[in-house]
Amino acid sequence: AQTVTQSQPEMSVQEAETVTLSCTYDTSESDYYLFWYKQPPSRQMILVIRQEAYKQQNATENRFSVNFQKAAKSFSLKISDSQLGDAAMYFCAYREGSGAGSYQLTFGKGTKLSVIP
Amino acid sequence: KAGVTQTPRYLIKTRGQQVTLSCSPISGHRSVSWYQQTPGQGLQFLFEYFSETQRNKGNFPGRFSGRQFSNSRSEMNVSTLELGDSALYLCASTPQLTNTGELFFGEGSRLTVL
Repeated sequence: AQTVTQSQPEMSVQEAETVTLSCTYDTSESDYYLFWYKQPPSRQMILVIRQEAYKQQNATENRFSVNFQKAAKSFSLKISDSQLGDAAMYFCAYREGSGAGSYQLTFGKGTKLSVIP
Repeated sequence: KAGVTQTPRYLIKTRGQQVTLSCSPISGHRSVSWYQQTPGQGLQFLFEYFSETQRNKGNFPGRFSGRQFSNSRSEMNVSTLELGDSALYLCASTPQLTNTGELFFGEGSRLTVL
């Protein structure tokens, strides 16, 4: 079974600084997707960034970027120029490729990010 | 376009009772999945529906069941409630038009079992 591990239960960052959240996963599949989801205190989870395993280029979305190391099964999220609105729980998630016929996500336990003004 | 809508947002039940939670996906989304979120276990997959058929099921007892209607709306039911069923239940939908399978989540239904 696939597992996703987030080793940092809590992290903090100064406003305008950069922070990196860690995620490792375990799978025997070669075709899969990785996601970072953000869950603010209002609880609605929203997608931050997505990475397809077959793409070597790291995904980037504005201030958010990932460092995808397929061989090491590592998928970290870097938040640049941190803003107060970035404070939330961040979940790393894994999904098998399209051949799996399911959109089931396996989530890590989450990292609570605090942003210090 | 309206987002994923879950009702009720909050509810309190006692042990032994049953509960039904409802989820209306984003218009045009045909796949709906449910997750249970607790502080101890995190986010755990319950089940996934597509076109009224259960496509996948997580490792939960038979007390947890669900269904999907022809308009893609979904319900989940928990019978004989236990204290450990207290959780935030999240519903998510996806358009099934892309292989990336991004899930769009609702705000959840917070269930407290006393």
